[in-house]
Amino acid sequence: DAGVIQSPRHEVTEMGQEVTLRCKPISGHDYLFWYRQTMMRGLELLIYFNNNVPIDDSGMPEDRFSAKMPNASFSTLKIQPSEPRDSAVYFCASSPNRGGWGTEAFFGQGTRLTVV
Amino acid sequence: AQTVTQSQPEMSVQEAETVTLSCTYDTSESDYYLFWYKQPPSRQMILVIRQEAYKQQNATENRFSVNFQKAAKSFSLKISDSQLGDAAMYFCASRGGSNYKLTFGKGTLLTVNP
Repeated sequence: DAGVIQSPRHEVTEMGQEVTLRCKPISGHDYLFWYRQTMMRGLELLIYFNNNVPIDDSGMPEDRFSAKMPNASFSTLKIQPSEPRDSAVYFCASSPNRGGWGTEAFFGQGTRLTVV
Repeated sequence: AQTVTQSQPEMSVQEAETVTLSCTYDTSESDYYLFWYKQPPSRQMILVIRQEAYKQQNATENRFSVNFQKAAKSFSLKISDSQLGDAAMYFCASRGGSNYKLTFGKGTLLTVNP
Protein backbone atom coordinates (compact mmCIF):
# COMPACT_ATOMS: atom_id res chain seq x y z
CA ASP A 1 0.00 0.00 0.00
CA ALA A 2 1.21 3.50 -0.79
CA GLY A 3 0.21 4.87 2.59
CA VAL A 4 -1.90 7.93 3.22
CA ILE A 5 -1.66 10.25 0.24
CA GLN A 6 -2.17 13.98 0.56
CA SER A 7 -2.25 16.59 -2.14
CA PRO A 8 -0.90 19.08 -2.78
CA ARG A 9 2.36 18.93 -0.79
CA HIS A 10 2.63 22.70 -0.83
CA GLU A 11 0.04 25.36 -1.42
CA VAL A 12 0.49 29.11 -1.56
CA THR A 13 -2.63 31.20 -1.88
CA GLU A 14 -3.79 34.73 -1.43
CA MET A 15 -5.95 35.81 1.45
CA GLY A 16 -9.61 35.43 0.65
CA GLN A 17 -9.17 32.56 -1.79
CA GLU A 18 -10.68 29.12 -1.37
CA VAL A 19 -8.27 26.31 -0.58
CA THR A 20 -9.01 22.59 -0.84
CA LEU A 21 -6.75 19.96 0.66
CA ARG A 22 -7.15 16.34 -0.38
CA CYS A 23 -6.53 13.01 1.30
CA LYS A 24 -6.66 9.40 0.25
CA PRO A 25 -6.54 7.10 3.31
CA ILE A 26 -5.08 3.62 3.39
CA SER A 27 -7.50 1.13 1.88
CA GLY A 28 -9.56 -0.66 4.50
CA HIS A 29 -9.06 1.93 7.23
CA ASP A 30 -12.26 3.01 8.94
CA TYR A 31 -11.01 6.15 10.68
CA LEU A 32 -9.75 9.33 9.06
CA PHE A 33 -8.32 12.32 10.91
CA TRP A 34 -7.40 15.86 9.92
CA TYR A 35 -4.74 17.56 12.05
CA ARG A 36 -3.20 21.01 11.86
CA GLN A 37 0.37 21.67 13.00
CA THR A 38 1.73 25.10 13.92
CA MET A 39 4.69 26.21 15.99
CA MET A 40 2.46 27.92 18.52
CA ARG A 41 -0.25 25.31 19.00
CA GLY A 42 1.45 22.06 17.99
CA LEU A 43 -0.69 19.28 16.54
CA GLU A 44 -4.39 19.92 16.85
CA LEU A 45 -7.16 17.59 15.77
CA LEU A 46 -9.61 19.39 13.52
CA ILE A 47 -12.08 16.60 12.76
CA TYR A 48 -12.27 12.87 12.46
CA PHE A 49 -14.52 10.46 10.56
CA ASN A 50 -15.57 6.89 11.20
CA ASN A 51 -16.90 5.02 8.20
CA ASN A 52 -17.23 8.33 6.32
CA VAL A 53 -19.33 9.92 9.08
CA PRO A 54 -17.96 12.93 11.00
CA ILE A 55 -17.68 11.96 14.67
CA ASP A 56 -15.93 14.89 16.32
CA ASP A 57 -15.54 18.27 14.65
CA SER A 58 -15.00 20.26 17.83
CA GLY A 59 -11.53 21.24 16.67
CA MET A 60 -12.67 22.96 13.50
CA PRO A 61 -11.71 26.58 14.10
CA GLU A 62 -14.71 28.32 12.58
CA ASP A 63 -17.25 28.22 9.81
CA ARG A 64 -14.60 28.97 7.23
CA PHE A 65 -13.41 25.38 7.62
CA SER A 66 -15.35 22.40 6.30
CA ALA A 67 -14.47 18.75 5.76
CA LYS A 68 -16.13 16.03 3.78
CA MET A 69 -15.66 12.34 3.21
CA PRO A 70 -17.89 11.35 0.30
CA ASN A 71 -16.53 7.80 0.23
CA ALA A 72 -14.08 5.53 2.01
CA SER A 73 -11.16 6.47 -0.22
CA PHE A 74 -11.32 10.25 -0.31
CA SER A 75 -11.63 13.24 1.99
CA THR A 76 -11.30 16.99 1.57
CA LEU A 77 -10.64 19.87 3.92
CA LYS A 78 -11.78 23.21 2.57
CA ILE A 79 -11.01 26.69 3.82
CA GLN A 80 -13.12 29.50 2.43
CA PRO A 81 -12.12 32.30 2.64
CA SER A 82 -8.53 31.66 3.66
CA GLU A 83 -6.66 33.97 6.04
CA PRO A 84 -2.93 34.34 6.84
CA ARG A 85 -3.48 32.77 10.27
CA ASP A 86 -4.52 29.55 8.52
CA SER A 87 -0.92 29.07 7.41
CA ALA A 88 0.18 25.70 8.82
CA VAL A 89 0.94 22.12 7.92
CA TYR A 90 -2.23 20.06 7.57
CA PHE A 91 -1.99 16.34 8.13
CA CYS A 92 -4.38 13.59 7.23
CA ALA A 93 -4.13 10.27 9.06
CA SER A 94 -6.05 7.01 8.95
CA SER A 95 -6.48 4.03 11.28
CA PRO A 96 -7.99 0.59 10.90
CA ASN A 97 -10.84 -0.44 13.19
CA ARG A 98 -9.09 -3.47 14.65
CA GLY A 99 -6.99 -3.14 17.78
CA GLY A 100 -9.08 -0.55 19.57
CA TRP A 101 -7.41 2.51 20.98
CA GLY A 102 -3.95 1.02 20.60
CA THR A 103 -4.20 1.03 16.86
CA GLU A 104 -1.56 3.07 15.11
CA ALA A 105 -2.58 6.19 13.19
CA PHE A 106 -0.79 6.35 9.83
CA PHE A 107 -0.03 9.86 8.69
CA GLY A 108 0.34 11.39 5.27
CA GLN A 109 3.24 13.69 4.52
CA GLY A 110 1.16 16.77 5.09
CA THR A 111 0.26 19.84 3.08
CA ARG A 112 2.15 23.02 3.89
CA LEU A 113 -0.30 25.87 3.40
CA THR A 114 0.86 29.46 3.15
CA VAL A 115 -1.72 32.22 2.92
CA VAL A 116 -0.27 35.58 1.90
CA ALA B 1 -10.64 15.44 28.22
CA GLN B 2 -7.05 14.39 27.87
CA THR B 3 -3.96 16.59 28.05
CA VAL B 4 -0.37 15.73 27.26
CA THR B 5 2.58 17.83 28.42
CA GLN B 6 6.16 17.69 27.19
CA SER B 7 8.26 20.00 29.31
CA GLN B 8 11.46 19.82 27.27
CA PRO B 9 11.22 21.87 24.06
CA GLU B 10 14.72 20.78 23.04
CA MET B 11 17.20 18.08 24.02
CA SER B 12 20.58 17.06 22.70
CA VAL B 13 22.63 13.87 22.99
CA GLN B 14 25.97 12.62 21.81
CA GLU B 15 25.97 9.84 19.29
CA ALA B 16 25.98 6.40 20.99
CA GLU B 17 24.79 7.89 24.29
CA THR B 18 21.41 7.50 25.99
CA VAL B 19 18.76 10.19 26.26
CA THR B 20 15.39 10.33 28.00
CA LEU B 21 12.48 12.47 26.82
CA SER B 22 9.80 13.35 29.36
CA CYS B 23 6.04 13.30 29.03
CA THR B 24 3.22 13.68 31.51
CA TYR B 25 -0.45 13.28 30.79
CA ASP B 26 -3.80 13.72 32.41
CA THR B 27 -6.87 11.66 31.73
CA SER B 28 -10.00 10.58 33.53
CA GLU B 29 -10.25 7.44 31.45
CA SER B 30 -9.53 4.04 32.97
CA ASP B 31 -8.45 2.46 29.70
CA TYR B 32 -6.12 4.30 27.37
CA TYR B 33 -3.01 4.01 25.27
CA LEU B 34 0.10 6.16 25.15
CA PHE B 35 2.29 6.65 22.11
CA TRP B 36 5.55 8.21 21.04
CA TYR B 37 5.72 9.50 17.47
CA LYS B 38 8.81 10.73 15.66
CA GLN B 39 8.76 13.52 13.08
CA PRO B 40 12.02 13.87 11.11
CA PRO B 41 12.68 16.86 8.84
CA SER B 42 10.75 15.08 6.09
CA ARG B 43 7.58 15.86 8.15
CA GLN B 44 6.47 12.24 8.11
CA MET B 45 4.95 11.16 11.45
CA ILE B 46 6.27 7.74 12.43
CA LEU B 47 5.12 5.61 15.36
CA VAL B 48 8.04 4.76 17.63
CA ILE B 49 6.41 2.86 20.47
CA ARG B 50 3.07 2.41 22.25
CA GLN B 51 1.97 1.37 25.74
CA GLU B 52 -1.37 0.13 27.02
CA ALA B 53 -2.28 1.61 30.39
CA TYR B 54 -3.34 -1.77 31.79
CA LYS B 55 0.06 -3.32 31.17
CA GLN B 56 2.57 -2.81 33.94
CA GLN B 57 5.49 -4.01 31.86
CA ASN B 58 7.21 -1.20 30.02
CA ALA B 59 7.17 -1.45 26.24
CA THR B 60 10.42 -1.81 24.32
CA GLU B 61 11.22 -1.62 20.62
CA ASN B 62 14.88 -2.28 19.91
CA ARG B 63 16.80 0.81 21.15
CA PHE B 64 13.60 2.53 22.29
CA SER B 65 11.94 1.88 25.63
CA VAL B 66 9.48 3.65 27.89
CA ASN B 67 9.23 4.23 31.60
CA PHE B 68 5.52 4.16 32.34
CA GLN B 69 4.56 5.39 35.80
CA LYS B 70 0.78 5.16 35.89
CA ALA B 71 0.25 6.67 39.32
CA ALA B 72 2.42 9.64 38.45
CA LYS B 73 0.90 9.84 34.95
CA SER B 74 4.36 9.86 33.47
CA PHE B 75 5.47 8.28 30.20
CA SER B 76 9.09 8.93 29.29
CA LEU B 77 10.96 7.66 26.24
CA LYS B 78 14.49 6.35 26.50
CA ILE B 79 16.65 6.14 23.40
CA SER B 80 19.77 4.01 23.85
CA ASP B 81 22.85 4.07 21.61
CA SER B 82 21.60 7.24 19.91
CA GLN B 83 22.17 7.48 16.18
CA LEU B 84 22.28 10.46 13.86
CA GLY B 85 19.05 9.24 12.29
CA ASP B 86 17.27 9.64 15.62
CA ALA B 87 17.42 13.42 15.26
CA ALA B 88 13.82 14.54 14.97
CA MET B 89 10.87 16.07 16.78
CA TYR B 90 9.34 13.59 19.20
CA PHE B 91 5.68 13.75 20.18
CA CYS B 92 3.98 12.05 23.08
CA ALA B 93 0.29 11.25 22.55
CA SER B 94 -2.64 9.60 24.29
CA ARG B 95 -5.87 8.02 23.20
CA GLY B 96 -8.72 6.50 25.15
CA GLY B 97 -12.24 6.74 26.43
CA SER B 98 -15.19 7.45 24.21
CA ASN B 99 -13.21 9.52 21.75
CA TYR B 100 -10.92 7.92 19.22
CA LYS B 101 -8.74 10.95 18.66
CA LEU B 102 -5.03 11.17 19.45
CA THR B 103 -4.09 14.04 21.75
CA PHE B 104 -0.51 15.22 21.26
CA GLY B 105 2.00 17.10 23.36
CA LYS B 106 3.88 20.08 21.93
CA GLY B 107 6.93 17.99 21.09
CA THR B 108 10.62 17.77 21.97
CA LEU B 109 13.24 18.54 19.35
CA LEU B 110 16.10 16.05 19.69
CA THR B 111 19.52 16.85 18.28
CA VAL B 112 22.13 14.12 17.98
CA ASN B 113 25.72 15.36 17.96
CA PRO B 114 28.39 13.31 16.16
